[in-house]
Amino acid sequence: AQTVTQSQPEMSVQEAETVTLSCTYDTSESDYYLFWYKQPPSRQMILVIRQEAYKQQNATENRFSVNFQKAAKSFSLKISDSQLGDAAMYFCAYRSRVGGSQGNLIFGKGTKLSVKP
Amino acid sequence: DVKVTQSSRYLVKRTGEKVFLECVQDMDHENMFWYRQDPGLGLRLIYFSYDVKMKEKGDIPEGYSVSREKKERFSLILESASTNQTSMYLCASRPGQAGANVLTFGAGSRLTVL
Repeated sequence: AQTVTQSQPEMSVQEAETVTLSCTYDTSESDYYLFWYKQPPSRQMILVIRQEAYKQQNATENRFSVNFQKAAKSFSLKISDSQLGDAAMYFCAYRSRVGGSQGNLIFGKGTKLSVKP
Repeated sequence: DVKVTQSSRYLVKRTGEKVFLECVQDMDHENMFWYRQDPGLGLRLIYFSYDVKMKEKGDIPEGYSVSREKKERFSLILESASTNQTSMYLCASRPGQAGANVLTFGAGSRLTVL
C-alpha cells in the first residue's frame, strides 16, 4: 500500500523569505499524481499545486513550486516570498493513476506553517 | 467554481445520539468522499461514493454509515455517537472521468460528542 510521509509537523518562516516543506512517499507504481493542499485556519482545503509523475518538469504556480525527485520518491514544496496568508496546514497527497478505490487520495499527516511578520 | 457545502460548521451531540452530517455539491460530480481529520493523523477516508446509491468503505468506516440518494448529496451518519468520534469531518467531491484528479472540499464540520 502507498504511504505519504511529511516529516516536519511544524515549520516557521519569516515573511518574504523562502521555505521548503518536505514530503516523501512510497509506491511500487510508475504512474501517479502528487498534490499539495493548503488548509488555512478557516478550514477550507484548497489545491496548491499538482504534479503528474510522467512529467519530468517540476510544476510551478506563481510563488509555489515543487521539487519532484521520482527516483528518491520525494515531492517537496517551495514557497518563495512567503506572505502572512501562506500560514496554514499543508498536506501532501498521492493518487494512483489506477481507477476505482485505488485511485483515492492518500494524505500525509500535514505540516503546520507559521509565517512571522 | 465548484462548491461543496457542509450543512453544519459546528455540532455538539451527546453520546448515543444519532448524527447526520450533510454535504451538497453543485457541479454534478460523480465522486464524493467523507474524511475525518485529527491532529497528528492527517486526513483519513471514511467512505466514498462513485454514483447514486453506491458506496464503498474507506480506511476507517467503523461506527459510520453513508447515504447517497441523489447525485449532489452525500450524507454521513453516526448511528450512535461516541466520544472518540469527536473530530473535524471534511466532505469532498470530484468528477468521475479519468484524469480528473482534483478534490474540492467543503469547509468542514466540527463535531464534539460529550
